[in-house]
Amino acid sequence: KAGVTQTPRYLIKTRGQQVTLSCSPISGHRSVSWYQQTPGQGLQFLFEYFSETQRNKGNFPGRFSGRQFSNSRSEMNVSTLELGDSALYLCASSLGQKDYEQYFGPGTRLTVT
Amino acid sequence: AQSVTQPDIHITVSEGASLELRCNYSYGATPYLFWYVQSPGQGLQLLLKYFSGDTLVQGIKGFEAEFKRSQSSFNLRKPSVHWSDAAEYFCAVFNQAGTALIFGKGTTLSVSS
Repeated sequence: KAGVTQTPRYLIKTRGQQVTLSCSPISGHRSVSWYQQTPGQGLQFLFEYFSETQRNKGNFPGRFSGRQFSNSRSEMNVSTLELGDSALYLCASSLGQKDYEQYFGPGTRLTVT
Repeated sequence: AQSVTQPDIHITVSEGASLELRCNYSYGATPYLFWYVQSPGQGLQLLLKYFSGDTLVQGIKGFEAEFKRSQSSFNLRKPSVHWSDAAEYFCAVFNQAGTALIFGKGTTLSVSS
């Protein structure tokens, strides 16, 4: 089975721009979660989608948004980029119930200049 | 609130020596616990998980972890470390709904020859 894939792997954007990141989960997985990883804050949960519905959201500003499509692929969008948004964005997929672990993709490295 | 503490930021172990990485959690009910490993520039790989049952769980790459409810701990162990084990290790717990992972700050493992 193919693993979780994320595109693009690297991005450089300018302050004020917006960006869209994509995540394709493992086949059969209906849950996709997004995490932000920074040296200062560590790994922080952004949001989780299951069958196109957001079930949970972390403590991030409204500039961070996401969506999930009927094929379970997910996108996250960050508008009005700030320097502090520079991070590794990780996507994880799972079957979506508590008895099932999350599998992570390689991440998208976003640099905001 | 749920939280995970990894007291050791950085550990150096000689190749062939044993390893123990500490993890303490704060959680009201029975926790769902995980250990993940991250190599530089990579995503997170699941090493092992504890949901219920036997408190000593075996994982991949020769790792094991022991759940101790009385100490709120879930320490990761390996009897003999290899140079390829050098990486960052994260302990995590599911939130109550099972939709988000709460991570510790991580422990960086260096292996000396």
